[in-house]
Amino acid sequence: AQSVSQHNHHVILSEAASLELGCNYSYGGTVNLFWYVQYPGQHLQLLLKYFSGDPLVKGIKGFEAEFIKSKFSFNLRKPSVQWSDTAEYFCAVNGDDKIIFGKGTRLHILP
Amino acid sequence: ETGVTQSPTHLIKTRGQQVTLRCSSQSGHNTVSWYQQALGQGPQFIFQYYREEENGRGNFPPRFSGLQFPNYSSELNVNALELDDSALYLCASSPGQGIQGANVLTFGAGSRLTVL
Repeated sequence: AQSVSQHNHHVILSEAASLELGCNYSYGGTVNLFWYVQYPGQHLQLLLKYFSGDPLVKGIKGFEAEFIKSKFSFNLRKPSVQWSDTAEYFCAVNGDDKIIFGKGTRLHILP
Repeated sequence: ETGVTQSPTHLIKTRGQQVTLRCSSQSGHNTVSWYQQALGQGPQFIFQYYREEENGRGNFPPRFSGLQFPNYSSELNVNALELDDSALYLCASSPGQGIQGANVLTFGAGSRLTVL
């Protein structure tokens, strides 16, 4: 069975700090990987996705994520966060017959 | 293009009752997935419908059932409600051709169910 683990439940950073949110998955076969974001008062929306090819994928708003197959990881990064990045971030994996989400990381950016 | 719309937005039920939640998928999307999001948790996969048939299910009991209609809209039905069913129920549509193609989800705002 597939599973997703997000290491940080709550992260607080100052503006311009660098961000890395950890995500590890468990699945033995080929996977598709995603990061979704939920801004305050808004729907869940796709931030970026990995299907195949270059393991470094870029998403909206300057976010990127790197798929490291040997570590079963898909960490999310941003070199310099902004106050508007305050949101909840969910890592997700699609391996077998369903898309599984992690528990989420609540990111709070201090102005 | 219209997004995913869900109704009702909020509802309160008592234990043992039944509830039906509705979802209209995004235009052009033929696959609908339902998720349960409890407070402080990530969305948990309930099931997925493609061309009016269930083609994937998570670890939810049979009292959670669904339908998809020819226009790709969908319903989630929950019978014999329990207190632990209190959660935000999210509907998501995707343009997939089936489970492996149903990759990029467009979410609705959710229906918040409170069971007393």
